[in-house]
Amino acid sequence: DGGITQSPKYLFRKEGQNVTLSCEQNLNHDAMYWYRQDPGQGLRLIYYSQIVNDFQKGDIAEGYSVSREKKESFPLTVTSAQKNPTAFYLCASTPGAAPAYEQYFGPGTRLTVT
Amino acid sequence: GQQVMQIPQYQHVQEGEDFTTYCNSSTTLSNIQWYKQRPGGHPVFLIQLVKSGEVKKQKRLTFQFGEAKKNSSLHITATQTTDVGTYFCAGNYGGSQGNLIFGKGTKLSVKP
Repeated sequence: DGGITQSPKYLFRKEGQNVTLSCEQNLNHDAMYWYRQDPGQGLRLIYYSQIVNDFQKGDIAEGYSVSREKKESFPLTVTSAQKNPTAFYLCASTPGAAPAYEQYFGPGTRLTVT
Repeated sequence: GQQVMQIPQYQHVQEGEDFTTYCNSSTTLSNIQWYKQRPGGHPVFLIQLVKSGEVKKQKRLTFQFGEAKKNSSLHITATQTTDVGTYFCAGNYGGSQGNLIFGKGTKLSVKP
C-alpha cells in the first residue's frame, strides 16, 4: 500500500525543546516537501528537497531544519528558535522535481508547544 | 513575493445550492492546481489546469483557467454534504525550480 506516513499524529512539547517530525514515503518519489498550516491560512512552504542529500529553503525556513539522507525519508526538526511553532505540519511528495506534478500529502502532525 | 489570492474565505450554502471559489494572481501562471481538504484531513489533489481558457469537469465540479492564465475558478453544482471541506488553489509560476504557491482556501459548509 503506497503512500506517505507522518508520525506522530499529535505531538506536545515544552517551549525551548527541539522536536523532530517524521515523514516517510514508499512511492519512490524524487521530491519531498514540508508545509506549515495555520487556521484560516493556506499552506506555507518550509523546506523542499528535489534529490537525496540536497534541500532548499522555502518561504518560512527560519527556525526549522531538515535532512534528506534517504530518498524515502525527509524529517523536519522544529528548533527552539522557531518563535511560534504550534501548527499543523504537512509533508508531501511528487514523482519529479518540477512543480507541475500533483502533490501527495501525508496525514499531517499537529504540534502543540506550551 | 508572488501571491495567489483566493475568495471567499468562507461560504455557507444550503444543500442543493451552487458554490464557486475564485483564485487570482497578479502575474501569469504556468499552471494551477486545485486541492480539497476535508475537516481534520490532509489536502487531496483534484485537478491541474495548464492551457489558457481550459475548462475541465469532474461530475458536479467544473474548473476553469482564465484566458490570461491569471485566474481560475472551481464551481460545484448542487452541493451535497460530502462536499464539505476547504478548497485550495495552488499556482505554479514556472521554472523547474519553482514551487506551488497556495491560496488561503475557501472553507465550504453545507447545511442539510
